Amino acid sequence: EIVMTQSPATLSVSPGDRVTLSCRASQSVSSNLAWYQQKPGQAPSLLIYGASTRATGIPDRFSGSASGTEFTLTISSLQSEDFAVYYCQQYNNWVSFGQGTKVEIK
Amino acid sequence: QVQLVESGGDVVQPGRSLRLSCVASGFTFGSFAMHWVRQAPGKGLEWVAVVSNDGTNKYYEDSVKGRFTISRDNSKNTLYLQMNSLRAEDTAVYYCAKGLYSGSYYFDYWGQGTLVTVSS
Repeated sequence: EIVMTQSPATLSVSPGDRVTLSCRASQSVSSNLAWYQQKPGQAPSLLIYGASTRATGIPDRFSGSASGTEFTLTISSLQSEDFAVYYCQQYNNWVSFGQGTKVEIK
Repeated sequence: QVQLVESGGDVVQPGRSLRLSCVASGFTFGSFAMHWVRQAPGKGLEWVAVVSNDGTNKYYEDSVKGRFTISRDNSKNTLYLQMNSLRAEDTAVYYCAKGLYSGSYYFDYWGQGTLVTVSS
């Protein structure tokens, strides 16, 4: 089983900040990595797949990158609607999710 | 537009059974593998099962193997999850999810979820 580890668990930030979320895979997942955003009471929504490809309709302030087994989701300038929990997910070997990073208002 | 609507969640006692349904619309259901993903209260996401577009191939997360059965009826655009021998740790919101492409294991559309509570 591939274990996905996200850090930090919680990030306290202000609107307009640049935000970087990290996700590490316990073994290689190639570029088979997706990011989701989940707001309270809602289903997750796909942000990024293939480690760096934005899903349809996702603003370009969201970007994804990869270096080996380390993956990063960057929000260039945090908007009020971006406060949420973010999950990474590998789909190289079945499916496993990280435990999530909560982005909260400072 | 794409819609996935789950139903069937309930409060059940440990050891009992429950069947969840997910009705799909807005896309060619029979062309896509479909998945169930669950989320325990206040916890993260856990993939549960997948069924191929024609229903012939099915795969499960280890903790539900032998207890849960995923199936589909393409004539009714409906996905199912039969859950037997339910345990307290199966308590979660269950989402059905569609892959971005026909065999994708990442999900561009999710239902609103249906809550299963296993408690005596």
